Amino acid sequence: AQKVTQAQTEISVVEKEDVTLDCVYETRDTTYYLFWYKQPPSGELVFLIRRNSFDEQNEISGRYSWNFQKSTSSFNFTITASQVVDSAVYFCALNPPESGNTPLVFGKGTRLSVIA
Amino acid sequence: ETGVTQSPTHLIKTRGQQVTLRCSSQSGHNTVSWYQQALGQGPQFIFQYYREEENGRGNFPPRFSGLQFPNYSSELNVNALELDDSALYLCASSSWLGRLGNEQFFGPGTRLTVL
Repeated sequence: AQKVTQAQTEISVVEKEDVTLDCVYETRDTTYYLFWYKQPPSGELVFLIRRNSFDEQNEISGRYSWNFQKSTSSFNFTITASQVVDSAVYFCALNPPESGNTPLVFGKGTRLSVIA
Repeated sequence: ETGVTQSPTHLIKTRGQQVTLRCSSQSGHNTVSWYQQALGQGPQFIFQYYREEENGRGNFPPRFSGLQFPNYSSELNVNALELDDSALYLCASSSWLGRLGNEQFFGPGTRLTVL
């Protein structure tokens, strides 16, 4: 079965602090994709990153970076020098392969509050 | 390029009623997926439509049904509403590239409250 666990329900940081959001996934498949989405108070899910299971290189995009470790089934997300606008709920999601009928399996999300 | 739009934004219904939610996919996308997001939870997959046919379904009862139209827009219908159906309903569109790795673009959602 496919499952995504985001153990941190809520995190609060002071502006300019770095913060890491954890994501652990379970799948028996060797080919899959992982995603991170941001959900601001407006409700719309905003795509942040997609990573396939064969690419374990870390990725950096501005203040955002992602650490994919297949050995520990983790796909963690770090925001450097956090800003108030980063306050949102962040979801990690798994895209199972052809045999699955679910496009995306989401974790329960981590609510990040950045305090000025 | 027009993004994914959903209507209505908010809706209040009573138990036992029926509701129809609408979604217009992003230009160039031929696949629409619907998700239910209960308060404090991650979105849960309801079903997906590709070329006007249901192309996968999550663990939802038959009273959740859908349609996709030739212009790729879609409807989600829920019959015999229950209190637990209160949630944010999200629509996502994508270009079909097989089941794997599709980047889904989400709409703003419809918040349904069942009293």
